[in-house]
Amino acid sequence: DSGVTQTPKHLITATGQRVTLRCSPRSGDLSVYWYQQSLDQGLQFLIQYYNGEERAKGNILERFSAQQFPDLHSELNLSSLELGDSALYFCASSVAQRGATDTQYFGPGTRLTVL
Amino acid sequence: DAKTTQPNSMESNEEEPVHLPCNHSTISGTDYIHWYRQLPSQGPEYVIHGLTSNVNNRMASLAIAEDRKSSTLILHRATLRDAAVYYCILRVWAGNTGKLIFGQGTTLQVKP
Repeated sequence: DSGVTQTPKHLITATGQRVTLRCSPRSGDLSVYWYQQSLDQGLQFLIQYYNGEERAKGNILERFSAQQFPDLHSELNLSSLELGDSALYFCASSVAQRGATDTQYFGPGTRLTVL
Repeated sequence: DAKTTQPNSMESNEEEPVHLPCNHSTISGTDYIHWYRQLPSQGPEYVIHGLTSNVNNRMASLAIAEDRKSSTLILHRATLRDAAVYYCILRVWAGNTGKLIFGQGTTLQVKP
């Protein structure tokens, strides 16, 4: 158990809909990262928040947005869903904002299926 | 970001050592070498990291070539639970973000 929790575990929805994925980081961790894992693209970084502020953006679509709340939990919002958004979404947390030695701890993921 | 190259897949027998190679010929002097692994149906987990010297922890050892253009993750006695995708990742010391850039990784099969 990494200490990072994600809800829900599974989500099935229809095209055009909007969903919210939730992540609670490990106690004491200020950074939250979101990653998407699909069969064709592999694991890709989406976005990072540190202590409530956005720190880095990766290959995140404009239809996707995220935020980190004062209690440090984070939500990833996916809207106008398309079939291609079906994937595993992982949240990770770490202590630091950046750095080459900071360890990231990953949650169990949310499997999103868009029908 | 510097790129890593790993074999797509490897096989090992249970209780034998496994050497997982990674090439990173464009590594810079301040890049750290990290290994993460992803067990089936789980999120990735940290395994080990190093800069220049060989490193050991309870999970594995990391052997880094003298020129740092390659490294090897060593599992001393593979178990069935070690079957996973292993990712070799370079992390920049001076980078302004902590993001991980995952390649395709090496899928390790462990045979009983």
